[in-house]
Amino acid sequence: GQNIDQPTEMTATEGAIVQINCTYQTSGFNGLFWYQQHAGEAPTFLSYNVLDGLEEKGRFSSFLSRSKGYSYLLLKELQMKDSASYLCAALDSNYQLIWGAGTKLIIKP
Amino acid sequence: EAGVAQSPRYKIIEKRQSVAFWCNPISGHATLYWYQQILGQGPKLLIQFQNNGVVDDSQLPKDRFSAERLKGVDSTLKIQPAKLEDSAVYLCASSLIGARDMSWPEQYFGPGTRLTVT
Repeated sequence: GQNIDQPTEMTATEGAIVQINCTYQTSGFNGLFWYQQHAGEAPTFLSYNVLDGLEEKGRFSSFLSRSKGYSYLLLKELQMKDSASYLCAALDSNYQLIWGAGTKLIIKP
Repeated sequence: EAGVAQSPRYKIIEKRQSVAFWCNPISGHATLYWYQQILGQGPKLLIQFQNNGVVDDSQLPKDRFSAERLKGVDSTLKIQPAKLEDSAVYLCASSLIGARDMSWPEQYFGPGTRLTVT
């Protein structure tokens, strides 16, 4: 079956760095998305990786290892506004997004 | 550019009643998705349209849910009759063209409709 695993909740301190891990098992693979979702709001796009390696975009970076079925989202210089859920989603062979349940990130001052 | 529009934002109904949600995607986006997101879970795809044709509706409970996208632009999702377990946020998303046709298949989401069935 198809499955996405990510931690349910993480806590970090303002100004620190946090890494949110995601492992996936899908029928075929056409890329890995990370979305941010604030409480009561719609998901917003953060990153898309299809090749192995690290993609950096400002304070956020995303890494992919296709051979290991593994990705992580790295958030640097954490701000209070980064408190949100972070959703990992893999694009399968039918180009359908398989979503994880999301990681709730709590930032403490 | 204007984003994905959805209405209503909130809806409370009693079980066995019917309800309809509306979505207007970003202009020019051929592909439209309806998702159901239960609290604490990731989005679950209900149906995907490309223009006015259905690409995937394998997870749509067809005995009570229906969706249409007339003229290949806006779309409605209907539930009739509603059950308690239908309480969720219903998200509409759109993308420029079908994911397999592009190298950056990003989906843009609307604000969602929060449905409470009592």
